[in-house]
Amino acid sequence: QSALTQPASVSGSPGQSITISCTGTSSDIGGYNYVSWYQHHPGKAPKLMIYEVSNRPSGFSHRFSGSKSGNTASLTISGLQAEDEADYYCSSYTSSSTLWVFGGGTKLTVL
Amino acid sequence: QLHLQESGSGLVKPSQTLSLTCAVSGASISSGGYSWSWIRQPPGKGLEWIGYIYHSGSTYSNPSLRSRVTISVDRSKNQFSLKLTSVTAADTAVYYCARSELGRYLLEFWGQGTLVTVSS
Repeated sequence: QSALTQPASVSGSPGQSITISCTGTSSDIGGYNYVSWYQHHPGKAPKLMIYEVSNRPSGFSHRFSGSKSGNTASLTISGLQAEDEADYYCSSYTSSSTLWVFGGGTKLTVL
Repeated sequence: QLHLQESGSGLVKPSQTLSLTCAVSGASISSGGYSWSWIRQPPGKGLEWIGYIYHSGSTYSNPSLRSRVTISVDRSKNQFSLKLTSVTAADTAVYYCARSELGRYLLEFWGQGTLVTVSS
Protein backbone atom coordinates (compact mmCIF):
# COMPACT_ATOMS: atom_id res chain seq x y z
CA GLN A 1 0.00 0.00 0.00
CA SER A 2 1.40 3.38 -1.05
CA ALA A 3 2.06 6.11 1.49
CA LEU A 4 0.04 8.67 -0.47
CA THR A 5 -3.50 7.90 -1.63
CA GLN A 6 -4.63 8.57 -5.18
CA PRO A 7 -7.74 7.42 -7.04
CA ALA A 8 -6.92 4.43 -9.22
CA SER A 9 -8.50 5.97 -12.28
CA VAL A 10 -10.18 9.09 -13.63
CA SER A 11 -11.62 9.85 -17.02
CA GLY A 12 -12.81 12.80 -19.03
CA SER A 13 -13.74 13.85 -22.53
CA PRO A 14 -11.55 16.01 -24.76
CA GLY A 15 -11.78 19.64 -23.74
CA GLN A 16 -12.98 18.90 -20.24
CA SER A 17 -11.08 19.42 -16.99
CA ILE A 18 -10.23 16.75 -14.46
CA THR A 19 -8.66 16.80 -11.01
CA ILE A 20 -6.59 14.08 -9.41
CA SER A 21 -6.25 14.11 -5.64
CA CYS A 22 -3.33 12.92 -3.54
CA THR A 23 -3.87 12.52 0.19
CA GLY A 24 -1.13 12.19 2.76
CA THR A 25 -0.54 13.32 6.31
CA SER A 26 0.88 16.25 8.23
CA SER A 27 4.26 14.49 8.05
CA ASP A 28 4.41 14.81 4.31
CA ILE A 29 1.97 16.78 2.13
CA GLY A 30 0.50 18.79 4.99
CA GLY A 31 3.82 19.75 6.49
CA TYR A 32 5.93 20.71 3.50
CA ASN A 33 5.61 22.33 0.09
CA TYR A 34 7.58 19.57 -1.60
CA VAL A 35 4.75 17.96 -3.56
CA SER A 36 5.54 16.96 -7.10
CA TRP A 37 3.59 15.27 -9.88
CA TYR A 38 4.84 12.98 -12.64
CA GLN A 39 3.31 11.98 -15.95
CA HIS A 40 4.11 8.49 -17.16
CA HIS A 41 3.31 7.07 -20.54
CA PRO A 42 3.98 3.30 -20.23
CA GLY A 43 7.31 2.28 -21.68
CA LYS A 44 8.68 5.80 -21.50
CA ALA A 45 10.55 7.77 -18.87
CA PRO A 46 8.30 9.47 -16.31
CA LYS A 47 8.25 13.27 -16.65
CA LEU A 48 8.21 15.86 -13.90
CA MET A 49 5.20 18.09 -14.55
CA ILE A 50 4.61 19.93 -11.27
CA TYR A 51 7.06 20.59 -8.45
CA GLU A 52 6.86 22.32 -5.08
CA VAL A 53 3.06 22.08 -5.17
CA SER A 54 2.28 24.38 -8.07
CA ASN A 55 5.35 25.12 -10.18
CA ARG A 56 5.68 23.91 -13.76
CA PRO A 57 9.01 23.05 -15.40
CA SER A 58 9.76 25.22 -18.40
CA GLY A 59 8.08 23.89 -21.51
CA PHE A 60 5.27 22.11 -19.71
CA SER A 61 1.77 23.14 -20.76
CA HIS A 62 -0.19 25.69 -18.72
CA ARG A 63 -3.09 23.25 -18.92
CA PHE A 64 -1.51 21.44 -15.97
CA SER A 65 -1.75 23.02 -12.53
CA GLY A 66 -1.17 21.93 -8.96
CA SER A 67 -2.46 23.00 -5.58
CA LYS A 68 -2.60 21.89 -1.97
CA SER A 69 -5.04 22.17 0.91
CA GLY A 70 -4.15 20.64 4.23
CA ASN A 71 -2.96 17.08 3.73
CA THR A 72 -4.30 16.81 0.18
CA ALA A 73 -2.62 17.90 -3.03
CA SER A 74 -4.39 18.13 -6.35
CA LEU A 75 -3.43 18.06 -10.00
CA THR A 76 -5.82 19.69 -12.44
CA ILE A 77 -5.64 19.15 -16.18
CA SER A 78 -7.76 21.51 -18.23
CA GLY A 79 -8.68 21.23 -21.90
CA LEU A 80 -8.09 17.48 -21.93
CA GLN A 81 -6.31 16.15 -24.99
CA ALA A 82 -5.83 12.59 -26.20
CA GLU A 83 -2.10 12.74 -25.46
CA ASP A 84 -2.84 13.44 -21.79
CA GLU A 85 -3.90 9.80 -21.42
CA ALA A 86 -1.22 8.43 -19.08
CA ASP A 87 -0.52 7.43 -15.50
CA TYR A 88 0.01 10.25 -13.00
CA TYR A 89 1.92 9.94 -9.74
CA CYS A 90 2.22 12.33 -6.83
CA SER A 91 5.18 12.47 -4.52
CA SER A 92 6.18 14.31 -1.38
CA TYR A 93 9.05 14.77 1.00
CA THR A 94 8.33 13.15 4.35
CA SER A 95 9.80 13.86 7.75
CA SER A 96 9.93 10.14 8.39
CA SER A 97 13.19 8.31 7.68
CA THR A 98 11.73 7.18 4.36
CA LEU A 99 12.46 10.70 3.09
CA TRP A 100 10.43 10.42 -0.13
CA VAL A 101 6.98 8.92 -0.64
CA PHE A 102 4.78 8.35 -3.66
CA GLY A 103 1.15 7.75 -4.47
CA GLY A 104 -0.10 4.57 -6.06
CA GLY A 105 -0.74 6.33 -9.36
CA THR A 106 -3.87 7.37 -11.24
CA LYS A 107 -4.68 6.18 -14.73
CA LEU A 108 -6.23 8.96 -16.79
CA THR A 109 -8.44 7.88 -19.67
CA VAL A 110 -9.48 10.41 -22.29
CA LEU A 111 -12.80 9.19 -23.61
CA GLN B 1 19.77 17.32 -22.72
CA LEU B 2 20.31 14.92 -19.85
CA HIS B 3 19.75 11.27 -20.61
CA LEU B 4 19.74 8.37 -18.16
CA GLN B 5 19.77 4.73 -19.22
CA GLU B 6 19.34 1.75 -16.91
CA SER B 7 20.93 -1.59 -17.70
CA GLY B 8 21.62 -4.83 -15.91
CA SER B 9 20.36 -8.28 -15.12
CA GLY B 10 16.76 -8.76 -16.23
CA LEU B 11 16.30 -12.11 -14.49
CA VAL B 12 17.66 -12.85 -11.03
CA LYS B 13 17.24 -16.01 -8.98
CA PRO B 14 15.80 -15.78 -5.47
CA SER B 15 18.41 -15.14 -2.76
CA GLN B 16 20.87 -13.76 -5.33
CA THR B 17 21.97 -10.15 -5.90
CA LEU B 18 20.30 -7.76 -8.30
CA SER B 19 22.76 -5.44 -10.06
CA LEU B 20 21.82 -2.42 -12.15
CA THR B 21 23.71 0.49 -13.65
CA CYS B 22 22.50 3.92 -14.71
CA ALA B 23 24.57 5.51 -17.47
CA VAL B 24 24.38 9.30 -17.49
CA SER B 25 24.93 11.40 -20.62
CA GLY B 26 24.53 15.12 -21.14
CA ALA B 27 25.90 16.00 -17.71
CA SER B 28 28.75 14.97 -15.45
CA ILE B 29 28.02 13.24 -12.17
CA SER B 30 31.31 14.68 -10.88
CA SER B 31 30.16 18.28 -11.28
CA GLY B 32 28.12 18.06 -8.09
CA GLY B 33 24.93 19.84 -7.15
CA TYR B 34 22.70 16.84 -7.66
CA SER B 35 21.59 13.58 -6.11
CA TRP B 36 21.15 10.44 -8.18
CA SER B 37 18.30 8.16 -7.19
CA TRP B 38 16.93 4.70 -7.73
CA ILE B 39 13.15 4.16 -7.70
CA ARG B 40 11.17 1.01 -8.42
CA GLN B 41 7.64 0.01 -9.34
CA PRO B 42 6.42 -3.54 -8.70
CA PRO B 43 3.82 -4.80 -11.20
CA GLY B 44 0.44 -3.22 -10.51
CA LYS B 45 1.75 -1.16 -7.61
CA GLY B 46 2.98 2.36 -6.96
CA LEU B 47 6.46 3.82 -6.98
CA GLU B 48 8.94 3.24 -4.17
CA TRP B 49 12.04 5.36 -3.64
CA ILE B 50 15.06 3.13 -2.99
CA GLY B 51 17.85 5.58 -2.28
CA TYR B 52 20.26 8.14 -3.68
CA ILE B 53 23.94 8.96 -3.96
CA TYR B 54 25.82 12.23 -4.26
CA HIS B 55 28.85 12.75 -6.49
CA SER B 56 30.95 12.54 -3.33
CA GLY B 57 29.78 8.99 -2.80
CA SER B 58 27.57 9.74 0.21
CA THR B 59 24.37 7.72 0.14
CA TYR B 60 20.98 7.56 1.81
CA SER B 61 18.48 4.77 1.35
CA ASN B 62 14.93 3.83 2.28
CA PRO B 63 15.04 2.20 5.74
CA SER B 64 12.81 -0.61 4.47
CA LEU B 65 15.58 -1.69 2.06
CA ARG B 66 18.68 -0.28 3.71
CA SER B 67 20.12 -3.55 4.96
CA ARG B 68 20.11 -4.96 1.41
CA VAL B 69 20.94 -1.90 -0.69
CA THR B 70 24.28 -0.62 -1.92
CA ILE B 71 24.45 2.41 -4.21
CA SER B 72 27.79 3.38 -5.70
CA VAL B 73 29.14 5.83 -8.26
CA ASP B 74 31.79 5.39 -10.96
CA ARG B 75 32.84 8.90 -11.95
CA SER B 76 35.23 7.66 -14.65
CA LYS B 77 32.32 6.04 -16.49
CA ASN B 78 29.78 8.72 -15.48
CA GLN B 79 27.41 6.16 -14.07
CA PHE B 80 25.98 4.99 -10.78
CA SER B 81 24.87 1.56 -9.69
CA LEU B 82 22.46 -0.33 -7.49
CA LYS B 83 22.98 -3.66 -5.79
CA LEU B 84 20.15 -5.33 -3.93
CA THR B 85 21.03 -8.51 -2.09
CA SER B 86 18.95 -11.53 -1.04
CA VAL B 87 16.20 -10.80 -3.53
CA THR B 88 12.76 -12.40 -3.43
CA ALA B 89 9.77 -12.29 -5.76
CA ALA B 90 8.71 -9.10 -3.98
CA ASP B 91 11.69 -7.36 -5.58
CA THR B 92 10.32 -7.96 -9.07
CA ALA B 93 9.78 -4.48 -10.45
CA VAL B 94 10.64 -1.92 -13.06
CA TYR B 95 13.67 -0.08 -11.72
CA TYR B 96 14.25 3.57 -12.62
CA CYS B 97 17.16 5.92 -12.10
CA ALA B 98 16.63 9.67 -11.79
CA ARG B 99 18.32 12.96 -10.92
CA SER B 100 17.40 15.68 -8.42
CA GLU B 101 18.88 19.04 -7.52
CA LEU B 102 20.43 19.01 -4.07
CA GLY B 103 17.98 20.13 -1.41
CA ARG B 104 14.98 19.91 -3.70
CA TYR B 105 12.61 16.98 -3.44
CA LEU B 106 11.75 16.53 -7.06
CA LEU B 107 12.96 14.02 -9.65
CA GLU B 108 13.63 16.20 -12.64
CA PHE B 109 14.95 13.61 -15.09
CA TRP B 110 14.25 9.88 -15.24
CA GLY B 111 15.45 6.93 -17.22
CA GLN B 112 13.00 4.72 -19.11
CA GLY B 113 13.29 1.96 -16.55
CA THR B 114 14.30 -1.67 -16.74
CA LEU B 115 12.28 -4.69 -15.69
CA VAL B 116 13.91 -7.05 -13.24
CA THR B 117 12.18 -10.35 -12.58
CA VAL B 118 13.09 -12.50 -9.60
CA SER B 119 12.37 -16.12 -10.44
CA SER B 120 14.05 -19.50 -10.31
